Amino acid sequence: DGGITQSPKYLFRKEGQNVTLSCEQNLNHDAMYWYRQDPGQGLRLIYYSQIVNDFQKGDIAEGYSVSREKKESFPLTVTSAQKNPTAFYLCASDLGQGGYQPQHFGDGTRLSIL
Amino acid sequence: KNEVEQSPQNLTAQEGEFITINCSYSVGISALHWLQQHPGGGIVSLFMLSSGKKKHGRLIATINIQEKHSSLHITASHPRDSAVYICAVTPYSGGGADGLTFGKGTHLIIQP
Repeated sequence: DGGITQSPKYLFRKEGQNVTLSCEQNLNHDAMYWYRQDPGQGLRLIYYSQIVNDFQKGDIAEGYSVSREKKESFPLTVTSAQKNPTAFYLCASDLGQGGYQPQHFGDGTRLSIL
Repeated sequence: KNEVEQSPQNLTAQEGEFITINCSYSVGISALHWLQQHPGGGIVSLFMLSSGKKKHGRLIATINIQEKHSSLHITASHPRDSAVYICAVTPYSGGGADGLTFGKGTHLIIQP
């Protein structure tokens, strides 16, 4: 079955530590996205990528970094510069055709600070 | 500025009731999406529409482009419909996919 796999499901970060969230898709989608969800707020876009080796900052990119070396993979690194990293992180993908395709979502990673 | 507004924020109803969730947006869009998020956090896409009306089982989604408004209806609601329903839009960017803009969600509880 095609889909998006995020790992781990739960992640704990110590102060000053970088952590990387994994996102893999086997849907042959060109576009991939990272969103952050906080309680009582809508999801917000962190980074997105429309093609391999290219990515763009979203609304809240500060303190995060990404790479897109393969079509299937779009890992997100939460750096020590992100002062409030505790949140639920969702990865999504679609065919990238100007927004006329539905997005598919992973099950999310919940990040907490120790 | 919140570009996507949903109402109500919370809704509790009895099993069998007809449910309506509303969404208003303020920007030009390529498409509007209705999503469902269960307690575990995973999100499922229910509908994507750019005009008119779509139906899937007991769910119906409508959109009025001129009024920048969409509604999600659930007929004969059931406790398994309990979830957070999220309205999201693809802002019109003239080409390319730039991510969705989301409402804050409507937390729906259907009591038996």
